[in-house]
Amino acid sequence: GQNIDQPTEMTATEGAIVQINCTYQTSGFNGLFWYQQHAGEAPTFLSYNVLDGLEEKGRFSSFLSRSKGYSYLLLKELQMKDSASYLCAVRDVNRGSTLGRLYFGRGTQLTVWP
Amino acid sequence: KAGVTQTPRYLIKTRGQQVTLSCSPISGHRSVSWYQQTPGQGLQFLFEYFSETQRNKGNFPGRFSGRQFSNSRSEMNVSTLELGDSALYLCASSSNRGGTGELFFGEGSRLTVL
Repeated sequence: GQNIDQPTEMTATEGAIVQINCTYQTSGFNGLFWYQQHAGEAPTFLSYNVLDGLEEKGRFSSFLSRSKGYSYLLLKELQMKDSASYLCAVRDVNRGSTLGRLYFGRGTQLTVWP
Repeated sequence: KAGVTQTPRYLIKTRGQQVTLSCSPISGHRSVSWYQQTPGQGLQFLFEYFSETQRNKGNFPGRFSGRQFSNSRSEMNVSTLELGDSALYLCASSSNRGGTGELFFGEGSRLTVL
């Protein structure tokens, strides 16, 4: 089966750096996604990793190690508006997998304090 | 370009009733997926449609069904509602034309079953 684990909650202060970890166990692997979801809003796409290494996009970076089944999302120069739930999701590659089927972790609720 | 649109945004039903939710994908996207989001389980995959055909289905009972029309719009139906069906139902569309294939989510339909 598929198992995606991430911490339930994290807190940090404005201007700081926070790292949200995600570990996964899937029968196959075809990419890992990070989404941000503010309360009452739609999840929005942040990043995608399919090869090992770091992908940087402005204040956000995402890292992947396929051999370890591990990813992290790094948020720099935190702002109050970064308070949200961050969702880690994996796309499988085996039979039964399709483009639209992602396996999601339960999300990490990040609170940024002034 | 308009995003994914879901209607209705909020609805209240009683046990035993049925409900139909609607989703209009981003123009040009032919893949539509549905997810159920609850605090306890996170995002759970319901099903995916492409070119009016169901391509994948999650582990939900037969009371949950869906369809897709020729213009890629999709509907999902839940019959004989149970209290446990109270959730946020998210629709997502994606493009099959290369790239990361990330999902673009609508803001969801929040269903409350009394």
